[in-house]
Amino acid sequence: NAGVTQTPKFQVLKTGQSMTLQCAQDMNHNSMYWYRQDPGMGLRLIYYSASEGTTDKGEVPNGYNVSRLNKREFSLRLESAAPSQTSVYFCASSDPQEVGNQPQHFGDGTRLSIL
Amino acid sequence: LAKTTQPISMDSYEGQEVNITCSHNNIATNDYITWYQQFPSQGPRFIIQGYKTKVTNEVASLFIPADRKSSTLSLPRVSLSDTAVYYCLVGDIEAAGNKLTFGGGTRVLVKP
Repeated sequence: NAGVTQTPKFQVLKTGQSMTLQCAQDMNHNSMYWYRQDPGMGLRLIYYSASEGTTDKGEVPNGYNVSRLNKREFSLRLESAAPSQTSVYFCASSDPQEVGNQPQHFGDGTRLSIL
Repeated sequence: LAKTTQPISMDSYEGQEVNITCSHNNIATNDYITWYQQFPSQGPRFIIQGYKTKVTNEVASLFIPADRKSSTLSLPRVSLSDTAVYYCLVGDIEAAGNKLTFGGGTRVLVKP
């Protein structure tokens, strides 16, 4: 049981390049999330998907797009990367259909540097 | 989403109990309190969650007073491996999307 898998683990881009970060979960969760974490900071929500076929903006959506490809996969795309998007990106999933304890399960992150 | 306030950092020694208090004065009726642990180069990991009174699991205890405006995470007999950042989050986990707001967290350093 792998949980939440993110690819790639590391990536270096040049300003203006595009890139898609991949995320897949094998826990049959309905909800998925993308966060970014800057050095010494907490996580900030970029986009989330409450269920397959739906996506909504979080706290910092500008410069990003997402696709909920199916129940398992939720991708994050940077169309034109900027140095301000240098960060660690975390994907998470949860199942709000369960009553009570519904923690988010996180992947180990993608470390993205934009030069 | 209710804003949380917690200490920036705490130092402790192996074998001691560590208590981290989080303030959430604007907590709503449907909000739960959840704590996560994050090690360097890893994603956050769920520790414990509660709504009111006291919750205990194999890792920690969570104390929530009657007014729910604060909560205290208690880590018994910490070891060096408990050195991490601990995040307190408050949110309606039954709401669509289950959005959570992470603050800066508390950096706990356990010394030998």
